[in-house]
Amino acid sequence: EAGVAQSPRYKIIEKRQSVAFWCNPISGHATLYWYQQILGQGPKLLIQFQNNGVVDDSQLPKDRFSAERLKGVDSTLKIQPAKLEDSAVYLCASTPDRYGTQYFGPGTRLTVL
Amino acid sequence: GENVEQHPSTLSVQEGDSAVIKCTYSDSASNYFPWYKQELGKRPQLIIDIRSNVGEKKDQRIAVTLNKTAKHFSLHITETQPEDSAVYFCAAAFMNRDDKIIFGKGTRLHILP
Repeated sequence: EAGVAQSPRYKIIEKRQSVAFWCNPISGHATLYWYQQILGQGPKLLIQFQNNGVVDDSQLPKDRFSAERLKGVDSTLKIQPAKLEDSAVYLCASTPDRYGTQYFGPGTRLTVL
Repeated sequence: GENVEQHPSTLSVQEGDSAVIKCTYSDSASNYFPWYKQELGKRPQLIIDIRSNVGEKKDQRIAVTLNKTAKHFSLHITETQPEDSAVYFCAAAFMNRDDKIIFGKGTRLHILP
């Protein structure tokens, strides 16, 4: 079974620039999560999708972050404009339904200079 | 909302000895407690989980215990091996409600030769 795919794996940008990350969950997985993991900390949930609807985005900084999951499959997370404190690994995870084990992608390491 | 505290932040044990990592949670309604292992530069991977209807679960050298009254749960690794060196994250969630998994800050485990 193919795992969760993410791209790019690494991204370096300057502050105030924009960046987008892409996630392709495991086939058939209805629930998709985006996490932010700052170095030395645990993953922090940014947004949770159930199919193409948002279940929870309470910790998403909506003034600069946005995410969508068109057609309930792939998802993109965008940061516009980026700040220095956005430097982190952005992890995507998916589960087959709302109650299953989360499978994580390899993450995108973002460095904001 | 849920808050998960994890201790210790760093743990060094001699190869062959046992390691114990402890977590507490705040939301008494939480009913799902997964543990993830994250090796350097890699994605978190589920190693074991426990639901609130059981007090203990074991899988080879790994065991998890749950005390619902005290709202704490622990990971036990016996006969530690060099490949056990990693960061371990506990997490808690109320499945069937919002399914939002809240992670602890992690424990860096070093297995000493």
